[in-house]
Amino acid sequence: NAGVTQTPKFQVLKTGQSMTLQCAQDMNHNSMYWYRQDPGMGLRLIYYSASEGTTDKGEVPNGYNVSRLNKREFSLRLESAAPSQTSVYFCASRFTSGSTDTQYFGPGTRLTVL
Amino acid sequence: TQLLEQSPQFLSIQEGENLTVYCNSSSVFSSLQWYRQEPGEGPVLLVTVVTGGEVKKLKRLTFQFGDARKDSSLHITAAQPGDTGLYLCAGRASGTYKYIFGTGTRLKVLA
Repeated sequence: NAGVTQTPKFQVLKTGQSMTLQCAQDMNHNSMYWYRQDPGMGLRLIYYSASEGTTDKGEVPNGYNVSRLNKREFSLRLESAAPSQTSVYFCASRFTSGSTDTQYFGPGTRLTVL
Repeated sequence: TQLLEQSPQFLSIQEGENLTVYCNSSSVFSSLQWYRQEPGEGPVLLVTVVTGGEVKKLKRLTFQFGDARKDSSLHITAAQPGDTGLYLCAGRASGTYKYIFGTGTRLKVLA
């Protein structure tokens, strides 16, 4: 099992460019999440998908869109990148069963917007 | 807006010392998690606590969930250099899929 995979690992954009961050999980989890992590800060939730076909806004959704393409894949799109979106982006999938509740994180995408 | 505050922000200690990291909020959470993150990697779950007053032990790590389910602590006994990393707490309110993360505690254990 690969777990949660993210592509690309690194990306540099110019202000105004668009791009899509890809995330896939092979653990058959229903819920998936996108977070951003800025220096000196914890993770902030951008969007989440409780199940295939549904998406909801998190704390900081402005400037982003998401697509839950199928149960495996959850993509994050920046339509017009801004320097304030320079960050490390993490995708996660969530497993729950009884008292077990675990988020599995991908390795992250390091995005710089010039 | 729910907030989780962690303290201290930074901690540098000698190998063998004990330490405690705190995670506090004015909000009630149905569950609270602790993660450790190493440079260049995603966070890895250490523990989930769900019951007020609950104490969980993971080798040298002891986790406690406050009675009112608003706060938590992580205690490390006899810290080792391998414990070095960023420790994050994350809370989830009842009836929601959303997690709120704390600002993190960066721990460095010197050999």
